[in-house]
Amino acid sequence: GDSVTQMEGPVTLSEEAFLTINCTYTATGYPSLFWYVQYPGEGLQLLLKATKADDKGSNKGFEATYRKETTSFHLEKGSVQVSDSAVYFCALTTNTGGFKTIFGAGTRLFVKA
Amino acid sequence: GAVVSQHPSWVICKSGTSVKIECRSLDFQATTMFWYRQFPKQSLMLMATSNEGSKATYEQGVEKDKFLINHASLTLSTLTVTSAHPEDSSFYICSANERGFTDTQYFGPGTRLTVL
Repeated sequence: GDSVTQMEGPVTLSEEAFLTINCTYTATGYPSLFWYVQYPGEGLQLLLKATKADDKGSNKGFEATYRKETTSFHLEKGSVQVSDSAVYFCALTTNTGGFKTIFGAGTRLFVKA
Repeated sequence: GAVVSQHPSWVICKSGTSVKIECRSLDFQATTMFWYRQFPKQSLMLMATSNEGSKATYEQGVEKDKFLINHASLTLSTLTVTSAHPEDSSFYICSANERGFTDTQYFGPGTRLTVL
């Protein structure tokens, strides 16, 4: 079945460091890919998305490119801030057999000042 | 952007009582709403999918008689946890798809349920 695998956390970085959170997926059909962010005690917020191969999603300095050949959607940011500390979820949606979203396990990011 | 609200944001109840959680799409019509449960430091587990005016579709292992879902209108879905027990304590999150835009979900802020 469809699945999403993302790197385990926590990831601890110093402010202004480069961030990469790896995400790979398996899916039948042509899923859309997403990154969501969850701040402590809150629900999920859409960070960025890409709906087809080679699309790049970007928002707030974060970006991820839909790579069909490697079935990946890695999240990157050139310079993280303390305020980026949160849990990041990679996800895919598929409409095969009914609309469904599959989430990765989440990666917790701590950014130190 | 599209906003989804949940009410209440947190609730504490005694074992054996029932709790209702509301999920509303504030500025769009939601053809489909989803209910998730999230355990501490874990990912979201889809509980059920509800379409306006029809019965909810529950995921395997989710008791439909315990978690009652009503999707009465295009902007409101409710989850009722019946005869709650401490093991039902969790963070419940709803999401909604905007009509005509089925690939993006908008999430509510979540409801933390604590059953004593």
